[in-house]
Amino acid sequence: QVQLEQSGAEEKKPGASVKVSCKTSGYTFTDHAIHWVRQAPGQSLEWMGRINTGTGNRDYLQKFQGRVTITSDTSARTVYMELSSLRSEDTAVYYCARDRGQQLLPWGLGTLVTVSS
Amino acid sequence: DIVMTQSPDSLAVSLGERATINCKSSQSVLYSFNNKNYLAWYQQKPGQPPKLLIYWASTRESGVPDRFSGSGSGTDFTLTISSLQAEDVAVYYCHQYYSIPVTFGQGTRLEIK
Repeated sequence: QVQLEQSGAEEKKPGASVKVSCKTSGYTFTDHAIHWVRQAPGQSLEWMGRINTGTGNRDYLQKFQGRVTITSDTSARTVYMELSSLRSEDTAVYYCARDRGQQLLPWGLGTLVTVSS
Repeated sequence: DIVMTQSPDSLAVSLGERATINCKSSQSVLYSFNNKNYLAWYQQKPGQPPKLLIYWASTRESGVPDRFSGSGSGTDFTLTISSLQAEDVAVYYCHQYYSIPVTFGQGTRLEIK
């Protein structure tokens, strides 16, 4: 079955960068885009961006432009999301999710990123 | 960006009773080319990722109990749980995938009365 396995929790200092991975299995990797969505504690879901794993094309939420980079490694079937210049407001659970005909299904279990001095 | 606004923010319903959650988009998410509403509903329980319940506004995802139903078109949508079960306690989100950036509602917390 389709599975998305995310990397483990991270603790970072303000100003640092974090790179979260999303390893996929159970489907043809290049047939489906991967999205990144984050959720701050007690808050709603915020879409960050996506990558077309077939073409490499990417879209980002404007508020993250210049700070976020989504990449993919087809041979490893893995997508990465790197967020730089971290601040306390970036403390959140970061999810990857597969694009299935534009719905998001399935989702990874999430990666908690804590930004604290 | 399309803004999704849910109501109410929280809701308490007795077991076996009907629960209704509303979602309004700031612009239509109905694509005239295929007459489909690009609107989904997700359920999220504590410590878990969101789970897709409904897509195309009214199509139930495989394995989702038939007490869950979605309706609406254009800018106004509704998620209905016909007979609330204890396991339905969760936060529910509407989600538009009509245009990038995709966006989510603020969530509706559903509890047992």
